[in-house]
Amino acid sequence: GAGVSQTPSNKVTEKGKYVELRCDPISGHTALYWYRQSLGQGPEFLIYFQGTGAADDSGLPNDRFFAVRPEGSVSTLKIQRTERGDSAVYLCASSSAPSGGLLRGQFFGPGTRLTVL
Amino acid sequence: KQEVTQIPAALSVPEGENLVLNCSFTDSAIYNLQWFRQDPGKGLTSLLLIQSSQREQTSGRLNASLDKSSGRSTLYIAASQPGDSATYLCAVPSGTYKYIFGTGTRLKVLA
Repeated sequence: GAGVSQTPSNKVTEKGKYVELRCDPISGHTALYWYRQSLGQGPEFLIYFQGTGAADDSGLPNDRFFAVRPEGSVSTLKIQRTERGDSAVYLCASSSAPSGGLLRGQFFGPGTRLTVL
Repeated sequence: KQEVTQIPAALSVPEGENLVLNCSFTDSAIYNLQWFRQDPGKGLTSLLLIQSSQREQTSGRLNASLDKSSGRSTLYIAASQPGDSATYLCAVPSGTYKYIFGTGTRLKVLA
């Protein structure tokens, strides 16, 4: 596609429920990143994929968060047993740089606004 | 640990003014820096990417400079317009692939 797309754009759920957030990167971009942005803050790194594998998941806050990228393109961020503190905008980015590097910068999607009631 | 600070946190100016947004970072061993724009409720739009070998980059009315040795970057916006109203974020690499972001400068340009 022309840019990074994310679905849904908004998700409202109840505490304790399970949610999935989807990211479709720019075609041909092998590197994919998830960030989380709380109100009034800059985005914070969650996880980085190079191809199908998660090369760095050090930013995931706890084991309720998990992400997959089974075919090296679309990625899904999964959150189990959601808590009110999970409410934020979840941003996805992709990059064409070799080895996932930032030499060519990152291109971001519009984000998914998650609200946990 | 890389830390990024942006000053001012918020800025309100009349239309037509030239303005400067500041970004400082603690670890100068970076190979590039990227400036983004974020409109309310939207994702990030890349504005300028400056490689460490460059001192500045220009795109239209925007000019970004990078001084690695002092840990600073500035984004200069010439002849500001109401359509420039947004939050401006700078990001620097931490390691090879992870960006660390500042908290942004919220700009409002008054007509």
